[in-house]
Parts: sequence; C-alpha cells; structure tokens
Amino acid sequence: DAEITQSPRHKITETGRQVTLACHQTWNHNNMFWYRQDLGHGLRLIHYSYGVQDTNKGEVSDGYSVSRSNTEDLPLTLESAASSQTSVYFCASSKREIYETQYFGPGTRLLVL
Amino acid sequence: AQKITQTQPGMFVQEKEAVTLDCTYDTSDPSYGLFWYKQPSSGEMIFLIYQGSYDQQNATEGRYSLNFQKARKSANLVISASQLGDSAMYFCAMREAYNSNFGNEKLTFGTGTRLTIIP
Repeated sequence: DAEITQSPRHKITETGRQVTLACHQTWNHNNMFWYRQDLGHGLRLIHYSYGVQDTNKGEVSDGYSVSRSNTEDLPLTLESAASSQTSVYFCASSKREIYETQYFGPGTRLLVL
Repeated sequence: AQKITQTQPGMFVQEKEAVTLDCTYDTSDPSYGLFWYKQPSSGEMIFLIYQGSYDQQNATEGRYSLNFQKARKSANLVISASQLGDSAMYFCAMREAYNSNFGNEKLTFGTGTRLTIIP
C-alpha cells in the first residue's frame, strides 16, 4: 500500500547540531509539506514543495531548510538546532489536483537539549 | 488576524450524544477549501471531511458532517452519536485560492479542540 513515512520517529539532539528529518512518500504526489506542532499553535507550515527542484518557505522557516531531488522525498534540515525547535514535526503530501487533501506522516518528536 | 479560529480549547460530551466543534475562518478569496482533521492520542493526523467554498451542499462522511455557513464564515464539524473512540484533538484547516491555478495549496490550521467523550 502507498504510504508516507517519517524517520526517525523520536530524536534527541544537542543545541547547535545539524539534524535531518526524513520524509518519504510512495503515492507519487507532487506536493510535499513540513509542519511543526506546538501547544497553543496548532500546526504551522515550515517549508513546502510543489515538485522536484521546487521549494518554498512557509510561515516559520527560519532555521530550517529543505531540498527536493526526487518526487518521493523531502528531507527537513535544522542547520543548527535550537531549544525553540523542540517540537513534533509532521510531513504531508498531496496530489497536484483540485480538491485534493493532504495526507500526513506519523510525525517525528524532536527534543533539543 | 487569525485565519482559522477554533474557540473551544476543550469539550466534554456524553457518549452517544451529538457534538458540534466550532470553526470560523477569515479570507477574502472567493475560492477556498475547508478541512477537518482528527488527531488521536497516538499522534497521527487523520483527514475527516472536506468542504469547498462553491459546494452547494454541506459535506457528509459517515457520522461526520460539516455545517457550512458561508455568510458567517463558519465551518463547524458535527459528529453524530459520539463514541469513546472520538476522543481526540480536532483541527480545522483552510486552503485559500482553491482553484485550478494551483497557486496556493498550503493549509492554515486552527489551534484545535480537544474532545473528550464521557462513558
């Protein structure tokens, strides 16, 4: 079955380290998104991509980067992890068609000490 | 201004009763889509229901229905005959410029409502 996966599911890192969170989907969706979820804020968009080689900044992109070298993957990199980036991170994907919804991965819990 | 507002941080409802979760939105775009997602304690985000701004009828999916009042800019989720498994966080989300130009496919989420079903 087609799916969207994230790895790792849990990660503890130290301030200042570079961290990469993986997102992989097998639906062949053009659109991919990264969100972070924090109490009181719901889900906020970090970066998104509408296709290979396309990346765009979302609402809370500072300190994060993404690259899209193929359809299936959109890794999220924290260049220099900060305690403020402790959060739950969700990846999502959707078809590039009208009325299509986004389907979410299981999430990655990141703790920055 | 908040684009999506969910005014109920938490709700407690007796099992088998119907429940309405409120969502109001703010947009000047005539073309948009509204979504509801469920997040159980296990953490995954589950798509429940969708309503397009041009849809003439309210969306329904099983026990879920969306009470769409365009003039009031509200898109409330109604769950009929609630079950213990409905206990979860519920998020309302909006996609603006929801048209064939595909210019804007981002979702904006509300802060969520935590629903607890009491046996």
